[in-house]
Amino acid sequence: QKEVEQNSGPLSVPEGAIASLNCTYSDRGSQSFFWYRQYSGKSPELIMFIYSNGDKEDGRFTAQLNKASQYVSLLIRDSQPSDSATYLCAVNIGTGNQFYFGTGTSLTVIP
Amino acid sequence: GAGVSQSPRYKVAKRGQDVALRCDPISGHVSLFWYQQALGQGPEFLTYFQNEAQLDKSGLPSDRFFAERPEGSVSTLKIQRTQQEDSAVYLCASSTELDSPLHFGNGTRLTVT
Repeated sequence: QKEVEQNSGPLSVPEGAIASLNCTYSDRGSQSFFWYRQYSGKSPELIMFIYSNGDKEDGRFTAQLNKASQYVSLLIRDSQPSDSATYLCAVNIGTGNQFYFGTGTSLTVIP
Repeated sequence: GAGVSQSPRYKVAKRGQDVALRCDPISGHVSLFWYQQALGQGPEFLTYFQNEAQLDKSGLPSDRFFAERPEGSVSTLKIQRTQQEDSAVYLCASSTELDSPLHFGNGTRLTVT
């Protein structure tokens, strides 16, 4: 089992819909969780981070963390074509400062 | 302010050549990371520095890979005797402290022919 797992997609949603991206992780002791967006040919850029159980909202983005289920998700409300990208989940695993990434979920927002 | 800067942006090497990839982190960021990203995959951890100390190099795939950060700022990733399987994008990231978000550079795309 990989440390961080994501469905690779592709996930397609119509413009204006809610996109839901999911991520599971293996280390129950993990404390910090990050979502990055990566456009084709570009480097990852941070969207959100979450450290505590529950929801964290920032504009159209909501991160949800459930440590008991070892599950973190990202909701994108009112999806726009410019949201079309690969979304990477990253988890700080172990006692060191080692961030593990999932393989990413490809999202396409259809106008 | 300036972000993480990597050079070169593209590097083509013949198999067997040595290459050196440079990363200049955000000023004041003590943590520096190197990742390798193959096409269609997520970034794979290579190594991590806190200031000049290399605290974790468990992700380096072989002893052909070597990284250094001698003065706690600029870092160099060196790959000796490159192989075709080394072809990938090499990403450098920095952060202010333990557990804080990573800020990535634009990466170096290495192609080994």
